[in-house]
Amino acid sequence: DGGITQSPKYLFRKEGQNVTLSCEQNLNHDAMYWYRQDPGQGLRLIYYSQIVNDFQKGDIAEGYSVSREKKESFPLTVTSAQKNPTAFYLCASSMSGIGTDTQYFGPGTRLTVL
Amino acid sequence: DAKTTQPPSMDCAEGRAANLPCNHSTISGNEYVYWYRQIHSQGPQYIIHGLKNNETNEMASLIITEDRKSSTLILPHATLRDTAVYYCIVRGLPLDQTGANNLFFGTGTRLTVIP
Repeated sequence: DGGITQSPKYLFRKEGQNVTLSCEQNLNHDAMYWYRQDPGQGLRLIYYSQIVNDFQKGDIAEGYSVSREKKESFPLTVTSAQKNPTAFYLCASSMSGIGTDTQYFGPGTRLTVL
Repeated sequence: DAKTTQPPSMDCAEGRAANLPCNHSTISGNEYVYWYRQIHSQGPQYIIHGLKNNETNEMASLIITEDRKSSTLILPHATLRDTAVYYCIVRGLPLDQTGANNLFFGTGTRLTVIP
């Protein structure tokens, strides 16, 4: 069953703690993305990776970090430096990162900072 | 990427066709029209996309006007499970072809299918 999985679905963290969100895909896609969605708003790009061992900052990268050691995995770490981390986080992938390849999304992780 | 304009909300009776409009008057020649939908608290789901010609798949049809300044997504027989926010997105190649191939989601149209 091909697709994108994100875990956990819900995540709670205390202020000052780092937390890592998982994203895995078995679509053999080269490109992967992380977006953030706040209530009633559209998606904003955090980081993206067009190929293994390479990634680029998106529009709101401050307070976040990523790694891309394997093609199928693109974990996102929300650090304590992120001032307002409570949000819905979405991972996506596409065949390539260049052009207009369709992006497919995972189910999302809802992060709440207590 | 060109901006899009969509009505904030629409209702549709179950079993009837849902026609969701989108204006994209500043679209350029190499930009595609994409449609996604998002059911509450889930990830966006890809529906369909097109460049010039009308497109149809198992989920929906996409009608693009000849001047490409507007389009309509058609769900031929709406069901209660089609209740969602529908996003119309226009996107093309990044100018330097190395920029993020990211999607600009606006606020979309909230479609409510009524029993």
